[in-house]
Amino acid sequence: NAGVTQTPKFQVLKTGQSMTLQCAQDMNHNSMYWYRQDPGMGLRLIYYSASEGTTDKGEVPNGYNVSRLNKREFSLRLESAAPSQTSVYFCASSEAPLQRSGAYEQYFGPGTRLTVT
Amino acid sequence: GQQVMQIPQYQHVQEGEDFTTYCNSSTTLSNIQWYKQRPGGHPVFLIQLVKSGEVKKQKRLTFQFGEAKKNSSLHITATQTTDVGTYFCAGPYGNNRKLIWGLGTSLAVNP
Repeated sequence: NAGVTQTPKFQVLKTGQSMTLQCAQDMNHNSMYWYRQDPGMGLRLIYYSASEGTTDKGEVPNGYNVSRLNKREFSLRLESAAPSQTSVYFCASSEAPLQRSGAYEQYFGPGTRLTVT
Repeated sequence: GQQVMQIPQYQHVQEGEDFTTYCNSSTTLSNIQWYKQRPGGHPVFLIQLVKSGEVKKQKRLTFQFGEAKKNSSLHITATQTTDVGTYFCAGPYGNNRKLIWGLGTSLAVNP
C-alpha cells in the first residue's frame, strides 16, 4: 500500500518547455488535488477532481492543465513553463468525511520540486 | 473571500518549553483540520475538530475548536526536537471537498 505517489521527485525546466507531473493513489479515493507550495504562501490549490471524470479550478489554475485519467491517476501539465512556476508541487487524495459534518482528510504525496530557469 | 490566518508565523523555543499556534477564520467553519509538515516533507494529517468548543488531545498535543467555530489552537506541552516542522490549519469550503489553508507556523526547537 504505497498511498499517494508522485513522479518525478525533482525536475529542472527551461522557460517555455512543457512537462507533465504524474500522481497516483492506491486508496480507492474519489477526490484528488494538486497544490503548489511556495515560501511564505502556504498551500494553494491549483486544480482538483471531486470524482473520476470531473475536474475544477482551484485558486491558481493559470498556466496549468489537468487530466483525471482514471480513479487512481491525476496528472498536472505545464504547457509552457515560466520561472513563476518554480515551486514544490503536491498531489493529494481524499475520501469520505470522518464525521457527518466533516471535510475530507487529505493524504499527500512526497512532492515534486520543480525549478524553471 | 474566505481566509484562514495563523499566528505566529515562526516560533523558536528551547526544548521542554511549551508552544501554541492559533488559527482564525473569517467565516464560521463546519470543522477544522490540522496538519504537520516536517522540513523537506509533505503535510501529514493530525486531527479534525468538528464540534463547537471541542478539545482533543494526542499525547503532548492539545487541539481546541472555538465556541463560535471561527478559531482553533494547537498547544504542544514540553516540546521535543521531534516536534520541529510547520503546523497548518485548514478549513473546508466548496461542499466540504476543498480545504483553505493557513500559512502555517514554523516551529524550531533548540536541544
